[in-house]
Amino acid sequence: EADIYQTPRYLVIGTGKKITLECSQTMGHDKMYWYQQDPGMELHLIHYSYGVNSTEKGDLSSESTVSRIRTEHFPLTLESARPSHTSQYLCASAQGGGSPLHFGNGTRLTVT
Amino acid sequence: GENVEQHPSTLSVQEGDSAVIKCTYSDSASNYFPWYKQELGKRPQLIIDIRSNVGEKKDQRIAVTLNKTAKHFSLHITETQPEDSAVYFCAASLPTGGFKTIFGAGTRLFVKA
Repeated sequence: EADIYQTPRYLVIGTGKKITLECSQTMGHDKMYWYQQDPGMELHLIHYSYGVNSTEKGDLSSESTVSRIRTEHFPLTLESARPSHTSQYLCASAQGGGSPLHFGNGTRLTVT
Repeated sequence: GENVEQHPSTLSVQEGDSAVIKCTYSDSASNYFPWYKQELGKRPQLIIDIRSNVGEKKDQRIAVTLNKTAKHFSLHITETQPEDSAVYFCAASLPTGGFKTIFGAGTRLFVKA
């Protein structure tokens, strides 16, 4: 079934660790996005991409990096996790300009 | 950059009443305005959207209006039901720079039976 998949669903790690959150979509969408969201609260744009080898920073990008080597894959890396990174991370994709976002189920990250 | 403001942050209505949520955006170049519903513990799901060349769109009990001059758009839910209880987010999408999509802060809607 065409969808957008995020792994892991839950992750607990210690401060200072490097982590990568995975996101893959099987819909062939060009546009992909990462948002940070505390449960039920505002979605903050971290990074987005409008195609292979293109990435742009959002409002909360300074402590993370992304890559877009393949259309279907858009991983997010935190080089050194901190307790302030504890949150839910949502990946999304869209077909093209002016199209709705399809969200993954999210990764709940806890940094101890 | 684009900024989206959403009001109210919390809305409580009686079942059967109407609910209205309002958003304003800052960048006049934004041309696509979706609304998402997020139930507890679930991912946001699109419920309705509108493009800048349209003033109003309706889908059963849900409608969205757009005023480009004032840069604001609104979600209207009629005949509310308990299952409408959720957090609703408006968003604005900019066609430049890769279709950056910015969300409002969300409205928590409670529908009392």
